[in-house]
Amino acid sequence: QKEVEQDPGPLSVPEGAIVSLNCTYSNSAFQYFMWYRQYSRKGPELLMYTYSSGNKEDGRFTAQVDKSSKYISLFIRDSQPSDSATYLCAMRDQGGSEKLVFGKGTKLTVNP
Amino acid sequence: KAGVTQTPRYLIKTRGQQVTLSCSPISGHRSVSWYQQTPGQGLQFLFEYFSETQRNKGNFPGRFSGRQFSNSRSEMNVSTLELGDSALYLCASSWGPPDTQYFGPGTRLTVL
Repeated sequence: QKEVEQDPGPLSVPEGAIVSLNCTYSNSAFQYFMWYRQYSRKGPELLMYTYSSGNKEDGRFTAQVDKSSKYISLFIRDSQPSDSATYLCAMRDQGGSEKLVFGKGTKLTVNP
Repeated sequence: KAGVTQTPRYLIKTRGQQVTLSCSPISGHRSVSWYQQTPGQGLQFLFEYFSETQRNKGNFPGRFSGRQFSNSRSEMNVSTLELGDSALYLCASSWGPPDTQYFGPGTRLTVL
């Protein structure tokens, strides 16, 4: 079993839709959870950063962490064509290492 | 504030050659990590450096090595290149845990 599982999609939605992206993980030591967005031929760009369980909102984006279920989500409201990208979840434990463990990414297309 | 920069952006090498990739972190960041991204495996952790010391290393053969300089700039080296080393190599920097990482645009390495 991989440490982090993420449905690769692809996911195609109409403009204005609510998008839900998810990851599950197996390592209970993970404490920090991130979502990155990666456009084609670019490096990953940090979207959301959450510590432990709970919700965090930033504009049209909401990140949720449920540590009891080992499940994290990213919601995108009022999706725009410019949101079309690959979304990567990433996580790491509380130790002194920076090592991030990534999901494989979900490719999202928002159609105008 | 300038982001993480990586040079070169594109590189073509042949099997058996060696390559050196360079990363300049965000000003003030002392931690640099390297990742390999391939379509099949996604993003995988290579190693991380903090104040010129390697703190953690991923599951890659000894052909992959790196170092960090006193100004926090980092280089990674791959010797005896194999076809499977073709990938996007990403560098990320941070202040250090628990701060999260910010990625550069990557160096796309093609091995022929």
